[in-house]
Amino acid sequence: DAGVTQSPTHLIKTRGQQVTLRCSPKSGHDTVSWYQQALGQGPQFIFQYYEEEERQRGNFPDRFSGHQFPNYSSELNVNALLLGDSALYLCASSLGLAGQETQYFGPGTRLLVL
Amino acid sequence: QQQVKQSPQSLIVQKGGIPIINCAYENTAFDYFPWYQQFPGKGPALLIAIRPDVSEKKEGRFTISFNKSAKQFSLHIMDSQPGDSATYFCAARSYTSGTYKYIFGTGTRLKVLA
Repeated sequence: DAGVTQSPTHLIKTRGQQVTLRCSPKSGHDTVSWYQQALGQGPQFIFQYYEEEERQRGNFPDRFSGHQFPNYSSELNVNALLLGDSALYLCASSLGLAGQETQYFGPGTRLLVL
Repeated sequence: QQQVKQSPQSLIVQKGGIPIINCAYENTAFDYFPWYQQFPGKGPALLIAIRPDVSEKKEGRFTISFNKSAKQFSLHIMDSQPGDSATYFCAARSYTSGTYKYIFGTGTRLKVLA
């Protein structure tokens, strides 16, 4: 049973560029949440996707956008990259919106913006 | 009110010791409190979780103590081992607008000396 997978594992971009990160949820899960984890900090909630729609959003600017596909996989897009966007980006999957089951995290994508 | 305050920031114990990590919250709408363990370069892994109608939960060497009236909960690691050296995050889940969101503490870096 495959867990949550993310790609790529590492990425280096320059300021102003755009980046797309990908996530495949754990088998049987249909809800995907994205988090940003700065060095030495806890994960910060970016947004959550269910049934291909954004269901809830954290305190992140519109430069951060996402998408969920019919197979439940998801993408996180960040436009006009800033140095402060350098972080570990985590994807977490779970089942449904009622939260009967906890969420499980992927290994993350380490993004470095130069 | 959406914050989860975690302490201490770092902790060093001898092998066999019992490190204790504490978290406090304000939002009484939180309904689920997981703890995650994170090794360097990896995503957080669910360790143990508790609901607010339970005062204590044990799983192996890990115990959560929950004090609903004080709005505090803590993680105890019995017979700690060098392999337990990692960063630990508490989290709290709220359910609003038909879906849920997790708020994370800032993390505790634990080092267990051999």
